Formats: sequence, structure tokens, C-alpha cells
Amino acid sequence: AQKVTQAQTEISVVEKEDVTLDCVYETRDTTYYLFWYKQPPSGELVFLIRRNSFDEQNEISGRYSWNFQKSTSSFNFTITASQVVDSAVYFCALSGVNNNAGNMLTFGGGTRLMVKP
Amino acid sequence: GAVVSQHPSRVICKSGTSVKIECRSLDFQATTMFWYRQFPKQSLMLMATSNEGSKATYEQGVEKDKFLINHASLTLSTLTVTSAHPEDSSFYICSASSGANTGELFFGEGSRLTVL
Repeated sequence: AQKVTQAQTEISVVEKEDVTLDCVYETRDTTYYLFWYKQPPSGELVFLIRRNSFDEQNEISGRYSWNFQKSTSSFNFTITASQVVDSAVYFCALSGVNNNAGNMLTFGGGTRLMVKP
Repeated sequence: GAVVSQHPSRVICKSGTSVKIECRSLDFQATTMFWYRQFPKQSLMLMATSNEGSKATYEQGVEKDKFLINHASLTLSTLTVTSAHPEDSSFYICSASSGANTGELFFGEGSRLTVL
């Protein structure tokens, strides 16, 4: 069975601080995908990144960066110089490709990030 | 990029009535669509997987007679909440996949259901 754990339920930072959101996953699949989504108060899911299990390179996109460590089954997300607009709930998710169900996602519990001015 | 449209975005209904939510893939053929439910301050939980032209596969604990899913075409899946009750009030969101196991899938905007 697949499982995604986001241990931090809520994080509060002051604007311009860096913040890291943790994500640990469990899967028996040898090939899988990891995702991060942002969910603002309006509810829609905003896609941030998809990472293939064979690609362990870290990625940076503007103020966002991701650290994929297969050895520890972690896929952490860092926001540098946080801004108030970053306030949202962030979900880490996992998709296996060997489950004959296309791209079904297993979501973590989410981390609510509050960035104060 | 690919777009999935969900309608309605918000619906309020009386207890005992049925509500239909539509999920459309606008620029690709979605062989598989997924329906998730999200209660306030909780994560998204998969309700069912629907494949075009066949019966939906429901997750454990989800009543298939209450949550009717129809995936009659490659671009449309519908979720009907029958005889809705206040405890069915939730955020329902669909995602669509072209079927290729590339990890690529697209989410609708979500539908917030409030049952009075």
C-alpha cells in the first residue's frame, strides 16, 4: 500500500523567512511519481512539480526548490524568502504506475503554511 | 496545458435531493477519471476511479449506490450524490488521465457541495 506522510500540519513564518515542508512516502512500486500541489483558500489544486522516481536531481524553480532523497524516501519542498501569497495548504502526493489504475494519487495530510507580513 | 473543467463550482441543496457534478477534459481524451472528496481541513481522499465505458471502481467505505459515477464518453465523467444529507457536504474534485502511465494528470477546479 502507498502512504504519504506530512508530519507538519501547520507552519507559521514571517515574510522573507525560508521554510521547508517535509514529505515522507512509502511505496512498493519501483517506478513512481511524486508531486507537490498548492491549495489556496479558493480550493483549486495548483500543480507545482512532478518528479519521476528515477530522477533524483534536485530542482529549483524561482523561490521554490525540491530535495528528493530516495534513500530516506523523502521529497521535501523549500520556499525561499516566503511571501504572504505563499500562504496556503500544500499537499505532497504519490502515484504508482504499476497499479493498473492510471495515475491515481495518494495524498499526504497536507501542511497549512501561514506567512505573516 | 491540458484543462479539466468541473461544474458547478458551488452548489447548495436541500437534504434529500440529488446533485450532479460534471468533470470534463477539454483538450484531451480522458480514459480514466478520479473522484476525490475533501472534508474541511482534511486531505483529499480518493472515492472512485472511473474508466470510460465501464463501471467505476469504488474505494472501501464509499457507497456506490449513493455516489453514482458515469463515464459515458472520453471527455465527460459525472458524479451524482443521491439523496444528499448534511454529512455529504464536502469539496469534490476530479482528476483526469489520458491513460498513459506518465504520471501526468490534471485536476478540475473542484465543486463545493453544501447540503442544508
